Amino acid sequence: DAGVIQSPRHEVTEMGQEVTLRCKPISGHNSLFWYRQTMMRGLELLIYFNNNVPIDDSGMPEDRFSAKMPNASFSTLKIQPSEPRDSAVYFCASSLSLGSPYEQYFGPGTRLTVT
Amino acid sequence: AQSVTQPDIHITVSEGASLELRCNYSYGATPYLFWYVQSPGQGLQLLLKYFSGDTLVQGIKGFEAEFKRSQSSFNLRKPSVHWSDAAEYFCAVVVNGNKLVFGAGTILRVKS
Repeated sequence: DAGVIQSPRHEVTEMGQEVTLRCKPISGHNSLFWYRQTMMRGLELLIYFNNNVPIDDSGMPEDRFSAKMPNASFSTLKIQPSEPRDSAVYFCASSLSLGSPYEQYFGPGTRLTVT
Repeated sequence: AQSVTQPDIHITVSEGASLELRCNYSYGATPYLFWYVQSPGQGLQLLLKYFSGDTLVQGIKGFEAEFKRSQSSFNLRKPSVHWSDAAEYFCAVVVNGNKLVFGAGTILRVKS
């Protein structure tokens, strides 16, 4: 099992540019979560999907952030335009909503730096 | 609101010594509780979980945790720490069906 795959692992961009982060969940998992980790705020849930449908996006900081899940094996988190305060590590996690529904498996993260 | 508190930001223990990391939760019903570990530059790995039943749960890497409802605690323990255990540890609770709320984390340093 390849685990949750995220790309890119590192992203450096200039303020105002569009950034797209990608995630491939574990095959067979039907829930997907996007988190942001910063020193100041710790780990925050941004949005989660169940069966490709966004269930809760209350953690999305503002309209500059958007997330999609066009199919069961792919999701994107987009920031447009990016700002320096968006610099953080972004994690994707997936889980199976049957059995042990709350066991989330995390990807390695994408470290985003906005200059 | 449901929350998780990890009172210790940093803990340093000697290799071979015992370890206890504290976690307190605020939740009305029976909580679903987790401990995750994060090594530098890595994602989070699940160590153990508590849903119901036996209040002492065993996890991977020799870790265990005990759920104490009377104290609203779910402390993580290990009898003998190895240098490879140095990492950041997060306690988490499930809220609103499927969301995890994490504590601020405890950084464990192991000295030889």
